[in-house]
Amino acid sequence: RKEVEQDPGPFNVPEGATVAFNCTYSNSASQSFFWYRQDCRKEPKLLMSVYSSGNEDGRFTAQLNRASQYISLLIRDSKLSDSATYLCVVRRNYGQNFVFGPGTRLSVLP
Amino acid sequence: DTGVSQNPRHKITKRGQNVTFRCDPISEHNRLYWYRQTLGQGPEFLTYFQNEAQLEKSRLLSDRFSAERPKGSFSTLEIQRTEQGDSAMYLCASSLDSSGGREDTQYFGPGTRLTVL
Repeated sequence: RKEVEQDPGPFNVPEGATVAFNCTYSNSASQSFFWYRQDCRKEPKLLMSVYSSGNEDGRFTAQLNRASQYISLLIRDSKLSDSATYLCVVRRNYGQNFVFGPGTRLSVLP
Repeated sequence: DTGVSQNPRHKITKRGQNVTFRCDPISEHNRLYWYRQTLGQGPEFLTYFQNEAQLEKSRLLSDRFSAERPKGSFSTLEIQRTEQGDSAMYLCASSLDSSGGREDTQYFGPGTRLTVL
């Protein structure tokens, strides 16, 4: 089993739809959690950090459930420009070793 | 452009040759990371520097791989005796150790795409 797993995707949704991505991690001592976005043939870019209390940034909401070792990302009112691969990232409880999930690809269709 | 830069952007080599990649982090960043990414997968951690000290190495980093950051600024990643399985995108990232409790953000460079024939 991989240390970080994500919905396999791809997700094809119409503009304006709400879409949710799920991520699970196996190391219960993991400390920090993030969502990154990666456009085709580009480098990953931080979308948002994920805090225990949950956090929101505009149309994006991230939630963390430590008991279930589960992270989610919700995108509301999706735009064409949201089309990308979304990477779930977990930092282990030691050092600076960040573990990336395989990513979930999103295509927002007109 | 004051972001992370990597050179070359593309490298095609024959099996058995040595290759070296360079990463220039954001100037005030003291942490530097190397990752490898293959198609359809997320980046895989290879190694990490805090200033010039290499503090962590993944098991993925075989004896053929070596990374340096001699002056705590730019870094190089060398692959000796390349194999076809080394073909991948090699990504560099940097961050600033805030030490203030807030997680430091990694900023990625555009990557070096390696093709081993």
